[in-house]
Amino acid sequence: DAGVIQSPRHEVTEMGQEVTLRCKPISGHNSLFWYRQTMMRGLELLIYFNNNVPIDDSGMPEDRFSAKMPNASFSTLKIQPSEPRDSAVYFCASSPRGVRNTEAFFGQGTRLTVV
Amino acid sequence: AQSVTQLDSQVPVFEEAPVELRCNYSSSVSVYLFWYVQYPNQGLQLLLKYLSGSTLVKGINGFEAEFNKSQTSFHLRKPSVHISDTAEYFCAVIGQAGTALIFGKGTTLSVSS
Repeated sequence: DAGVIQSPRHEVTEMGQEVTLRCKPISGHNSLFWYRQTMMRGLELLIYFNNNVPIDDSGMPEDRFSAKMPNASFSTLKIQPSEPRDSAVYFCASSPRGVRNTEAFFGQGTRLTVV
Repeated sequence: AQSVTQLDSQVPVFEEAPVELRCNYSSSVSVYLFWYVQYPNQGLQLLLKYLSGSTLVKGINGFEAEFNKSQTSFHLRKPSVHISDTAEYFCAVIGQAGTALIFGKGTTLSVSS
């Protein structure tokens, strides 16, 4: 398996623009997570899906952020409008049956820079 | 709710020296514990995990960790490090009824010759 695939790897955008980050989880995994990594705050959980349904979105910072999982093989994280403080590395991870009894597999991340 | 504290943000060591990266957690319920490693410009990779049983857990690349419930710690150790161990190391916790990993802020291990 190719692992969790994220695109793009790097994104530079201007403040106010819409940004869409994409994730393809490992086939057969039914849990998907979006994390944000910054120097100040470390790795923060943004949202968690189970069987394509959002279970916990309490980590989504504000209404400018939204996430969808239209099917088992694809998820998006959208920021509209983007702001400089959104600059971070965004990771997607998937897990086959919930993360407690196994590991979460991470993608290589998308480095977002908002100027 | 759970939280994780990694006590050292940076740990510099010389090659072939032993190393310990410290992790303490807080939780009102029983937990599962994990250590992940992140190499530059890469995603996170699982090193080892504690779910139950023996409190000494062995992982990949010669790393091991010991779960200490009374001290709420899960320190990571390696008896002899290599240059290639230079990376960011994250401790993570999840409650037994939880849904997602909660990470510490990470420890940068720098191995020099």
